[in-house]
Amino acid sequence: DAGITQSPRHKVTETGTPVTLRCHQTENHRYMYWYRQDPGHGLRLIHYSYGVKDTDKGEVSDGYSVSRSKTEDFLLTLESATSSQTSVYFCAISVGGGADEQFFGPGTRLTVL
Amino acid sequence: QKEVEQNSGPLSVPEGAIASLNCTYSDRGSQSFFWYRQYSGKSPELIMSIYSNGDKEDGRFTAQLNKASQYVSLLIRDSQPSDSATYLCAVNRWGAQKLVFGQGTRLTINP
Repeated sequence: DAGITQSPRHKVTETGTPVTLRCHQTENHRYMYWYRQDPGHGLRLIHYSYGVKDTDKGEVSDGYSVSRSKTEDFLLTLESATSSQTSVYFCAISVGGGADEQFFGPGTRLTVL
Repeated sequence: QKEVEQNSGPLSVPEGAIASLNCTYSDRGSQSFFWYRQYSGKSPELIMSIYSNGDKEDGRFTAQLNKASQYVSLLIRDSQPSDSATYLCAVNRWGAQKLVFGQGTRLTINP
């Protein structure tokens, strides 16, 4: 499982509340990614990081922010959750360069009511 | 045109037959190509990586890459019911440190 954990694994929250999802890795990989997966849309990149404090946007970054203050942790924050952000969120790491093989965490199922 | 396209299926194959999954991509500069398997309710699992034109075999799996035609395929020989899953194709975008995923093909192996 490439030493990736995500927390929480399941969360139900209400519209307008802030939510933070955590991705933790144990192997000091430089590149980390946050994706969301929805029926009919496949995996879509939200944000990614290429080092501590170095992050960039993906294709669906609106409404999300990220932070990486330590190599091992990559946080995804929904500042004010909306129902459209109900999804399954996956964290991934790249073991080589950023365009190389990626390995995924177990996922977080988020429901926004 | 989507950057990475896959037939969403479902693709139904009898047990023991060859399952053939296809993926096309639009960025001619793409260098890295991956196949992931995802069981329902689970995270994607990397099963094949291919970087050069031609075939790459790993057990019952063969990945085929044709950069001139911009497609990559995955063959599964002697298909088993345990191969029933969604298969995701992923391609790097030239010059970018990220992958683009297709929507996935749902494969069902019928006993």
